[in-house]
Amino acid sequence: NAGVTQTPKFQVLKTGQSMTLQCAQDMNHEYMSWYRQDPGMGLRLIHYSVGAGITDQGEVPNGYNVSRSTTEDFPLRLLSAAPSQTSVYFCASSYSSGGGYNEQFFGPGTRLTVL
Amino acid sequence: AQSVTQPDIHITVSEGASLELRCNYSYGATPYLFWYVQSPGQGLQLLLKYFSGDTLVQGIKGFEAEFKRSQSSFNLRKPSVHWSDAAEYFCAVGGGATNKLIFGTGTLLAVQP
Repeated sequence: NAGVTQTPKFQVLKTGQSMTLQCAQDMNHEYMSWYRQDPGMGLRLIHYSVGAGITDQGEVPNGYNVSRSTTEDFPLRLLSAAPSQTSVYFCASSYSSGGGYNEQFFGPGTRLTVL
Repeated sequence: AQSVTQPDIHITVSEGASLELRCNYSYGATPYLFWYVQSPGQGLQLLLKYFSGDTLVQGIKGFEAEFKRSQSSFNLRKPSVHWSDAAEYFCAVGGGATNKLIFGTGTLLAVQP
């Protein structure tokens, strides 16, 4: 199993450009999520999905869109990049909670710089 | 509100010394607690987790953590630190139907020779 994969590893954008960060998992996990990591702020949840066709907002959703058309993929779209979106982005996946909790597995991250 | 507090932003210890990283949480339901480690430029690796049962949990790389409900704490410990332990450590709490994780701001560990 490849686990959770993210592409690209690095990206530089200009203000106003759009792009999509890719995330895929091959573990048949229902739950997937996106976090951003900023110095001194830990990881903050952007969006999450509990299954194909179901998404919801996390703590910091503004400026980002997601969709979940398949179990395997959960892309994160930046509609009009801003310097405040310079960050490291992590995708994670797990089996659904089922009323308890299941360990999340993290991808290697995408480092995004917006000029 | 649900939150995780890691009061120590940066800690420096000597190699071979003991280590304790503090974590306090605020969570309305039964908490599921985690410690992750992140080496420079890397992703997150799970060190250990607490779901229920024995309040002292063992993890990888010789780490352990103790859940204290009365103090809302889940401190991470290691009896003898190695230079390779230098990294950033994150405490997180999760649970409920949505499986969301709430992270602390992290503690950066430096190890002196």
